[in-house]
Amino acid sequence: RKEVEQDPGPFNVPEGATVAFNCTYSNSASQSFFWYRQDCRKEPKLLMSVYSSGNEDGRFTAQLNRASQYISLLIRDSKLSDSATYLCVVSSQAGTALIFGKGTTLSVSS
Amino acid sequence: DAGVIQSPRHEVTEMGQEVTLRCKPISGHDYLFWYRQTMMRGLELLIYFNNNVPIDDSGMPEDRFSAKMPNASFSTLKIQPSEPRDSAVYFCASYLAGAPTDTQYFGPGTRLTVL
Repeated sequence: RKEVEQDPGPFNVPEGATVAFNCTYSNSASQSFFWYRQDCRKEPKLLMSVYSSGNEDGRFTAQLNRASQYISLLIRDSKLSDSATYLCVVSSQAGTALIFGKGTTLSVSS
Repeated sequence: DAGVIQSPRHEVTEMGQEVTLRCKPISGHDYLFWYRQTMMRGLELLIYFNNNVPIDDSGMPEDRFSAKMPNASFSTLKIQPSEPRDSAVYFCASYLAGAPTDTQYFGPGTRLTVL
């Protein structure tokens, strides 16, 4: 079983759509959770951290369910510029290796 | 501020040759990570350092791979001899323990092709 699993997609949505990505992780000892964004042929960049209480950053909402070992990312009012691969990431503690899912590809079209 | 710097950005070499990838972390960061990304396996950790000391090298594929961090501002990842299956994008990332933003910052990567 992979440590972090994501639906690879691709998700093809029109501008303005709402899209949700899901992720599950296998290590119950995981302490830190993130969504990273990776554009084609670029490095991964932090999109947002994910907290147990859920958190929102503009059009992006992330949620964590520790009991189910499940992480989600909701993107509202999709923009063309949201087209990218979204990586679900966990780590067992700060300063240790990040464990990446293989990513979910989003394509937003006009 | 300069981010993580990697060189070269692209490397094409022939099987059996030695390859050296270089990384300069963000100044002041105390952790440095080497990751490899392939289509098949995604992003995987190879090795990481804390204060220039290797902490976990369990992701290093085999003895052909070695990494060093002689000082806080420089690290190398060496592959000798290289093989076609080593073709991948190699990322270096750095991290500062205790920083407000609990994240690793990635360099632009080195795209390695072994023919």
